[in-house]
Amino acid sequence: AQSVTQLGSHVSVSEGALVLLRCNYSSSVPPYLFWYVQYPNQGLQLLLKYTSAATLVKGINGFEAEFKKSETSFHLTKPSAHMSDAAEYFCAVSRGNRDDKIIFGKGTRLHILP
Amino acid sequence: EPEVTQTPSHQVTQMGQEVILRCVPISNHLYFYWYRQILGQKVEFLVSFYNNEISEKSEIFDDQFSVERPDGSNFTLKIRSTKLEDSAMYFCASSGDGANYGYTFGSGTRLTVV
Repeated sequence: AQSVTQLGSHVSVSEGALVLLRCNYSSSVPPYLFWYVQYPNQGLQLLLKYTSAATLVKGINGFEAEFKKSETSFHLTKPSAHMSDAAEYFCAVSRGNRDDKIIFGKGTRLHILP
Repeated sequence: EPEVTQTPSHQVTQMGQEVILRCVPISNHLYFYWYRQILGQKVEFLVSFYNNEISEKSEIFDDQFSVERPDGSNFTLKIRSTKLEDSAMYFCASSGDGANYGYTFGSGTRLTVV
């Protein structure tokens, strides 16, 4: 079975500071990994995905994530936080099979302090 | 950029009534999904659908739920007799093959059962 664990249900950073949201995965097969963002009262927007190519994945809005197999991690980072980054962030995993479901973590709410 | 469209955005229904949530997936996608998110909780998988049949369903997807792709463009989720605990945000998603692989989510339908 696959799962993801997001460390920290709430994370606060100052505007301009580094954003680091942690995600660890568990998978019996090489995983495909995703980060989604959800703004208040909105849907899920894909930030980036890892599909077994480059381990450092760049996404939208200046976010990136690095797949580390040895640490079973896929942490999300952004060098400089902006107020507009305040949202809920979900890490997710799938097996990469064509019709396979995607499994979400519990989410991390990112707060940006002025 | 192609979008997954969900209607309605909000639905209020009385307990015991039937509801149909509608989704128009991305046109060249082949795999379709429904997820739900109870307020403040994680996004949960309900069902996946491919080639006009259910590929996989979760334990949440009991006999009260059904899915259909009636006309080659719409993908619907029906809840036969709604319960209070069905109140949630319901997300439709679709995914393609190869270069189109990846889950695109709609903006969701907020279902409130009263």
